[in-house]
Amino acid sequence: EPEVTQTPSHQVTQMGQEVILRCVPISNHLYFYWYRQILGQKVEFLVSFYNNEISEKSEIFDDQFSVERPDGSNFTLKIRSTKLEDSAMYFCASSVLAGGPGEQFFGPGTRLTVL
Amino acid sequence: EDKVVQSPLSLVVHEGDTVTLNCSYEVTNFRSLLWYKQEKKAPTFLFMLTSSGIEKKSGRLSSILDKKELSSILNITATQTGDSAIYLCAVGQKSSGDKLTFGTGTRLAVRP
Repeated sequence: EPEVTQTPSHQVTQMGQEVILRCVPISNHLYFYWYRQILGQKVEFLVSFYNNEISEKSEIFDDQFSVERPDGSNFTLKIRSTKLEDSAMYFCASSVLAGGPGEQFFGPGTRLTVL
Repeated sequence: EDKVVQSPLSLVVHEGDTVTLNCSYEVTNFRSLLWYKQEKKAPTFLFMLTSSGIEKKSGRLSSILDKKELSSILNITATQTGDSAIYLCAVGQKSSGDKLTFGTGTRLAVRP
């Protein structure tokens, strides 16, 4: 069964460093998302991406964050200068329907630890 | 502010019991309500309910959407230890980006 994959599973970085989290969405899906979950808290929406541009972003998704689909399969989240409070599990998700109530399927997540 | 509230926060039952998990929401431009099961890491999709599909069933799990009461329930009958997980409710809105707003989840523990 097709699934969303994410790499790495765990990333440790120093405060101020740049990190890139990678995702391969399900191949025929059109909408891509990033969410994060700080330990013990809710899953929070960061950004959605469709047709090679950002469709919507939350207040969390400030200028330190960017997303890119560099080729036909990968979808990346870059954090330019990490802060301690960026430590969280980052989930990528994808959905097949554009503009409709499509189910979002989640990847296994990348645990980001900022020291 | 959009809000999704789940109850109870946690629940401990014995194998074979039936459980009902609750989700209520206050969001603008409601489109859909989704239930996910989160075990170790990723939320795994269970059901999606919309105005055109307010009741879903799969095996021992079933869910109903009450659009008048702005709420949904997830029922699990004949619970098994493998049902132990956090159950997440999320609401999709008619926005440009189809974002989901999640509740805090209900932690279910099923004892043998």
